[in-house]
Amino acid sequence: DSGVTQTPKHLITATGQRVTLRCSPRSGDLSVYWYQQSLDQGLQFLIQYYNGEERAKGNILERFSAQQFPDLHSELNLSSLELGDSALYFCASSVDSGGRGTDTQYFGPGTRLTVL
Amino acid sequence: AQKITQTQPGMFVQEKEAVTLDCTYDTSDPSYGLFWYKQPSSGEMIFLIYQGSYDQQNATEGRYSLNFQKARKSANLVISASQLGDSAMYFCAMREGGTGGFKTIFGAGTRLFVKA
Repeated sequence: DSGVTQTPKHLITATGQRVTLRCSPRSGDLSVYWYQQSLDQGLQFLIQYYNGEERAKGNILERFSAQQFPDLHSELNLSSLELGDSALYFCASSVDSGGRGTDTQYFGPGTRLTVL
Repeated sequence: AQKITQTQPGMFVQEKEAVTLDCTYDTSDPSYGLFWYKQPSSGEMIFLIYQGSYDQQNATEGRYSLNFQKARKSANLVISASQLGDSAMYFCAMREGGTGGFKTIFGAGTRLFVKA
């Protein structure tokens, strides 16, 4: 158990809908990262938040947004869902002590999203 | 351009033998971190080992060691004394800085099969 929790574990929804995925980082970790893992794209970095502020942005679609709350949990919002958004969405967290490229990210169990 | 390359889609190894999983990377940032993760069929991402670009010695964690050859830009994972439970997907990842903050990039992965 990495200490990172994600809910829900599975989510089935229809095209055009909006969903929210939730992540609680490990105790003491200030950074939260979101990843999308699909069969055709592999594991793609979406976005990082550090202590409530956006720190880095990857291949995140405009239909997707995220935020990190004062208690450090994070939510990933996916809207106008398409079939191609079906994937495993991971949240990861790290201490992010400021060291360049040294912080290990610990992953949550993931949320499997199926868009029908 | 591919930043992380894992050239072995699948590998077989006999139980109790050692196996090397290849990873090459490309970056112009002098400061970066290299990681290996294991993803069993259950789907979770498990951190295995980390190597910093300035580390002088190769990283080791139990049965895992990282063969870091900086000039060749390679970071191969060596698993000694393979066990049946090592059968999984293995991902090499690199964390580097740049415009837009630090990002972690994953390779396509290598699926390892351990034979009894």
